[in-house]
Formats: sequence, C-alpha cells, structure tokens
Amino acid sequence: KQEVTQIPAALSVPEGENLVLNCSFTDSAIYNLQWFRQDPGKGLTSLLLIQSSQREQTSGRLNASLDKSSGRSTLYIAASQPGDSATYLCAVLREYGNKLVFGAGTILRVKS
Amino acid sequence: DTAVSQTPKYLVTQMGNDKSIKCEQNLGHDTMYWYKQDSKKFLKIMFSYNNKELIINETVPNRFSPKSPDKAHLNLHINSLELGDSAVYFCASRTDEGRVSFGPGTRLLVL
Repeated sequence: KQEVTQIPAALSVPEGENLVLNCSFTDSAIYNLQWFRQDPGKGLTSLLLIQSSQREQTSGRLNASLDKSSGRSTLYIAASQPGDSATYLCAVLREYGNKLVFGAGTILRVKS
Repeated sequence: DTAVSQTPKYLVTQMGNDKSIKCEQNLGHDTMYWYKQDSKKFLKIMFSYNNKELIINETVPNRFSPKSPDKAHLNLHINSLELGDSAVYFCASRTDEGRVSFGPGTRLLVL
C-alpha cells in the first residue's frame, strides 16, 4: 500500500527566504509525482509534474526533484513571497493502475 | 475555458436526503476521478473511471454511486446522506502522461 508523507506539516517563513518542502513515499513503483498548490477554500492547482524517469522539473521560482529509489521528492521555492502562502500537496501516481495517492500537505505561510 | 467543472459549488442539505454532484471535463481525457477532502484537508480517492468503465472503487459506502454517461462526464449520486458525508468533493481527470487536473470542488454540508 502506497503511503505518502509530507514534512513539515506547517512552515512559517519571512518573505524572501528560500525554502524546501519534503515528500516521501513508501512504494517506489510510481508512474510520476505531482506537486499541487491549494489556496483556502479553493481547488488544486498543478505546479510541477515529474515522470518516474526524470530527476527534476523547474517552473519559475519552483524546482522539484525526485529520487525514486529512495522514495523522496523535494519542492524548492526560491525567494518566497506572501502570495506563495498556501497548502502544498504532493501526490504519486502508481505505476500500475490509476490511483493518485496524496500526502497530507504542508501549510506554508510567508510573512511580509 | 474551464477544463474540469463541477456543479453545484455548494450543497447544503438535510440528513437522509439524496443528492447528485455533476462533473464535466472538456480536455478529452479518458480517465476521471472522484476524491473526498475531509475536515482535516486530507484527499482520499473514492472512484476512478476509464472510458466510462469503473476501475477503482475504494472502500466507499454503497450509498455513493458514480455514473459515467460518456467519457466527458462523471457524476456522483449520494443516497441517504449522513452527517459524516460533509466534506469537499473534487472531480478530476487525467492525461495519458499522468497529469491530473482537478475541478473547483463541491462543498457539501449535511445538517
């Protein structure tokens, strides 16, 4: 059974700091890993998708890495801004089947 | 253009009622999902359909019945609503490469 863990559960940083969010998964038989952002009371916005054969993906100030063999991914946010405040969710799509399994999320607050 | 849309956005109802939530995607994806987000914000898969066929049915009470009339639609019908059904329900669809797009969610409150 695939389990996804995100650390820390919550993070509060001053504006401008670089930060790292961590995601780990128990079963390395994954098809891909996706990072989402969820604002309060809103839906999920896809940030980055890393296929199992890839090591990292970048979009603007965001960089996500994947180490499939060790079951870990990190989301790096550079020069954080108050607008980055949200819940960040990591999800893995299993190699066989359609199941997308989520972590519990990291609640990020960037203080101005 | 909304990729994955859900109606209604909010649903407030009494215990014991039957209600439906509709979902449509205009992305041409074959695979669609229903997820439940509980009060602790944890997202849990309920169902997955591929080309109108049920592939995943997690341990969901049989009061919940998904229906896929065509590839672009996956509706969720809930019978005999209970207090514990209060949650946010998200519909999603998936590309062949595995990218999942979510709808805006339906906030269900059972009184």
